[in-house]
Amino acid sequence: TQLLEQSPQFLSIQEGENLTVYCNSSSVFSSLQWYRQEPGEGPVLLVTVVTGGEVKKLKRLTFQFGDARKDSSLHITAAQTGDTGLYLCAGGAAGNNRKLIWGLGTSLAVNP
Amino acid sequence: KAGVTQTPRYLIKTRGQQVTLSCSPISGHRSVSWYQQTPGQGLQFLFEYFSETQRNKGNFPGRFSGRQFSNSRSEMNVSTLELGDSALYLCASSLVGGSSSYEQYFGPGTRLTVT
Repeated sequence: TQLLEQSPQFLSIQEGENLTVYCNSSSVFSSLQWYRQEPGEGPVLLVTVVTGGEVKKLKRLTFQFGDARKDSSLHITAAQTGDTGLYLCAGGAAGNNRKLIWGLGTSLAVNP
Repeated sequence: KAGVTQTPRYLIKTRGQQVTLSCSPISGHRSVSWYQQTPGQGLQFLFEYFSETQRNKGNFPGRFSGRQFSNSRSEMNVSTLELGDSALYLCASSLVGGSSSYEQYFGPGTRLTVT
């Protein structure tokens, strides 16, 4: 069974701090997505990474795909209260009937 | 371009009843997936439809069913509701082909409460 483990499960920080959340698996993925979900809403796609070692930046958010395409990280610089939400990663495995494997998420609270 | 829409947004039902939820995908997206989200279990995949055919299915009992229409709109039905079916039900649409096909565009969800 393919699993995606996200850590930490919960994170509470002050505005202005930096943080990194992780998404790990023993399986290889053809692509990996990161989503952010706010309470009562659906997840919103932030980024897709495809190539091993790939780094993508979205303003203060930096996403990295591991060289072996089994893991990924999301780094937020100078967190703001608007970054609060549930961060989900999802991996796509081409040989798995094109199903997405979802992590349970990291719940981030950025306090003013 | 309009996003994914889901109706209704909130629903309260009684145990034993059935419910139908509706989803309209982004224009041009032909794949529609349904998910159940609960605090303890996270995002659980229900099924995916493409060209009016179920392409993938998660590990849910037969009480959960769905269908897709020729205009890509989709519905899901839950029969004989149980208390444990209380959840946020999310619909997501995606393009077909390449790595973009894994990118899910979600609607706001339907919050179902079973009493």
